[in-house]
Amino acid sequence: KQEVTQIPAALSVPEGENLVLNCSFTDSAIYNLQWFRQDPGKGLTSLLLIQSSQREQTSGRLNASLDKSSGRSTLYIAASQPGDSATYLCAVSGRNAGNMLTFGGGTRLMVKP
Amino acid sequence: GAGVSQSPSNKVTEKGKDVELRCDPISGHTALYWYRQRLGQGLEFLIYFQGNSAPDKSGLPSDRFSAERTGESVSTLTIQRTQQEDSAVYLCASSFIAGNSYEQYFGPGTRLTVT
Repeated sequence: KQEVTQIPAALSVPEGENLVLNCSFTDSAIYNLQWFRQDPGKGLTSLLLIQSSQREQTSGRLNASLDKSSGRSTLYIAASQPGDSATYLCAVSGRNAGNMLTFGGGTRLMVKP
Repeated sequence: GAGVSQSPSNKVTEKGKDVELRCDPISGHTALYWYRQRLGQGLEFLIYFQGNSAPDKSGLPSDRFSAERTGESVSTLTIQRTQQEDSAVYLCASSFIAGNSYEQYFGPGTRLTVT
């Protein structure tokens, strides 16, 4: 059974810092890996999707990498801003018919002005 | 609208009552998923629909939970005889199954509170 772990569980940084969020998964036979952002009381916003054949994806100040063989992904946030404060979720889809997502527990990020 | 919508946004019900939650996927998305997020826990997969195929119900926690989808449109998740442990945010997602992407787009969720 796939298990996804995110470290750290919570992170507080001053504005402007570059930071790295970590995600690990136990079964490397994944199809995709997605990073999401969740604001309090809101749904999930998809940030980046990395297909299993890819090594990284970039969007603005965000860069996500994937090392499938070691079961790890990192989300790099450059020049963090208070508006980046949210919970960041990592999820993987297995090679099953539905590509259902298995989620990590999330990293709760606070960026202080 | 362009995104996934869900209704109601909040639902408070008494233990033992039945509830129905609704999801409108993005137009053209053939796949639809239900997940739930209980307080302090991660998101759990519940059920998956793809076109006219039989749904994958492997994540449903008990036979009190059921879901339907009409074609490639609206889905309803029904919880019968609700229990307090059913309190959670229920999230719906849809995706377009093509190529190698399968990116899932989530709705805002329905917060269910069972008293």
